[in-house]
Amino acid sequence: IAGITQAPTSQILAAGRRMTLRCTQDMRHNAMYWYRQDLGLGLRLIHYSNTAGTTGKGEVPDGYSVSRANTDDFPLTLASAVPSQTSVYFCASSDLSSGTNEQFFGPGTRLTVL
Amino acid sequence: GQNIDQPTEMTATEGAIVQINCTYQTSGFNGLFWYQQHAGEAPTFLSYNVLDGLEEKGRFSSFLSRSKGYSYLLLKELQMKDSASYLCAVLDSNYQLIWGAGTKLIIKP
Repeated sequence: IAGITQAPTSQILAAGRRMTLRCTQDMRHNAMYWYRQDLGLGLRLIHYSNTAGTTGKGEVPDGYSVSRANTDDFPLTLASAVPSQTSVYFCASSDLSSGTNEQFFGPGTRLTVL
Repeated sequence: GQNIDQPTEMTATEGAIVQINCTYQTSGFNGLFWYQQHAGEAPTFLSYNVLDGLEEKGRFSSFLSRSKGYSYLLLKELQMKDSASYLCAVLDSNYQLIWGAGTKLIIKP
């Protein structure tokens, strides 16, 4: 692994189903983030984690949950998917001690909820 | 509220220079980022400004004026591969990134 990986690459999901998007980084970054990107809108923060064992809510957290059991993994769960959650989801990580908080992004997961 | 404005789309000619502007109003300021995003790909880091002035990195330069809440990204000697979206983002008082919607840059031969 080099950097950040996400799985799956894309998914079509029936409304009401539960779905977990996976994110793994090998840079030993302390902070990790989940964003959604929709056409015409900027990246919007869903949830974040500044260190293993802690999580926080971003701008659009409703309908999503996260966990951070260890440094490397930061899964995002949709408990009961709805069509408005159709989007491209990006996971990112950063080293908060770097001073700049430059974020490194995974390749994204394209999710369609029907 | 927090707001970042940048033009939706710009067109430029190969070999020319283009300036993409970004204005912001945020709760606190801890730096401004520019990212490049090719269609269907993830954003990648271009530049970071925290002090006023110009930062130059090869063909790309980024300028910041904190008093005016303003930044621009300058791309010189444009190449076809520069066709992409350019995202402006501000690190707010909580050290969270607030993102603009991005500027789609179209390069014509």
